[in-house]
Amino acid sequence: DQQVKQNSPSLSVQEGRISILNCDYTNSMFDYFLWYKKYPAEGPTFLISISSIKDKNEDGRFTVFLNKSAKHLSLHIVPSQPGDSAVYFCAASGQENKLIFGTGTRLQVFP
Amino acid sequence: DVKVTQSSRYLVKRTGEKVFLECVQDMDHENMFWYRQDPGLGLRLIYFSYDVKMKEKGDIPEGYSVSREKKERFSLILESASTNQTSMYLCASSPRGAMNTEAFFGQGTRLTVV
Repeated sequence: DQQVKQNSPSLSVQEGRISILNCDYTNSMFDYFLWYKKYPAEGPTFLISISSIKDKNEDGRFTVFLNKSAKHLSLHIVPSQPGDSAVYFCAASGQENKLIFGTGTRLQVFP
Repeated sequence: DVKVTQSSRYLVKRTGEKVFLECVQDMDHENMFWYRQDPGLGLRLIYFSYDVKMKEKGDIPEGYSVSREKKERFSLILESASTNQTSMYLCASSPRGAMNTEAFFGQGTRLTVV
């Protein structure tokens, strides 16, 4: 059973516009959420995280929003750049200190 | 610069072979993980380890085993490789701590079983 879900396998956005990537989770014991970015033939790299005690965390062009009641988080990238084109994975962690990943969303930013 | 290094980028093995995938980290992290990445399935956890000589099953441990004899090294073993184990394998490490679970990944090993 998929505990972390990314329902959109792909997203295409024009350069300069906002990219919004969504993630849903089912386990209410998750208390830490992360986004990773992955280029082809490379390992994922950490992008941004948020603790369950917050509802927003911002780092430059990247903002993550957490809605605990809906068990939903989203990653906003603004403005989007061609170099942002990659696969984005949402991940969640609970008391076991292990990361459970979603299926990923492929973002393409076109000029 | 922190590093997680996987011994091979690409491997081709025959069905039935015993396969070893090696991972080394230089960050003195307690936690180490093995994932596999498949299209449409994301990253799925195979095994993880919180400390030397400790191991825990992840979501898909069948057909795999692991070894952690030293803190910096975590090996994934395919006892008898099968074609359905063709995948991208990713090793990761993270420091201990419930609120600091950012994991650092290696570059991945693309394994093909023929």
